[in-house]
Amino acid sequence: ETGVTQTPRHLVMGMTNKKSLKCEQHLGHNAMYWYKQSAKKPLELMFVYNFKEQTENNSVPSRFSPECPNSSHLFLHLHTLQPEDSALYLCASSQDRGFIAEQYFGPGTRLTVT
Amino acid sequence: QKEVEQNSGPLSVPEGAIASLNCTYSDRGSQSFFWYRQYSGKSPELIMFIYSNGDKEDGRFTAQLNKASQYVSLLIRDSQPSDSATYLCAYTNFGNEKLTFGTGTRLTIIP
Repeated sequence: ETGVTQTPRHLVMGMTNKKSLKCEQHLGHNAMYWYKQSAKKPLELMFVYNFKEQTENNSVPSRFSPECPNSSHLFLHLHTLQPEDSALYLCASSQDRGFIAEQYFGPGTRLTVT
Repeated sequence: QKEVEQNSGPLSVPEGAIASLNCTYSDRGSQSFFWYRQYSGKSPELIMFIYSNGDKEDGRFTAQLNKASQYVSLLIRDSQPSDSATYLCAYTNFGNEKLTFGTGTRLTIIP
């Protein structure tokens, strides 16, 4: 256990559904991240939050909407997704931003869009 | 050109031998380098990070960084079957928290 939890662990949704992924970190970290991991592709950074403020949006489609109410919680709201959005969505946290900030990952949510 | 290049493998190594995993990167501004281990169906787990040229050792693991040649490697001594996993190389730039990952090398330790 890394101290980063994610729910749900598995999610199947239709293209017209709306769902949310939740991430919680118990490490006292200040920065949180959303990544997407697809088969045979590198991990892709989606969003970065530092002290609840979004500091990076890596050209992610608007059908993905992040929310960070406090430094311990991070959500990813999903709506009108496409089948190609099926992937493992990983949340991570680090003590702070910076080039030597070690990031710790949660177990991920396996998303299938039908 | 990919930002981070890793041989996808699979790399097969006999138990007890040294496993050598390599990673090259294209961004000369890269400052810190990370090795993550990912078991099948699990999330990445940080093994080591290195930001100075040379070697850094932690138990059976040694990370090696050569910024002039733009490569970083991970050596695993006395390989165990439990080391069988995909190893991801990643880097960040100074002042930037963005981790850029390679596609990973799948390592199999043969008993």
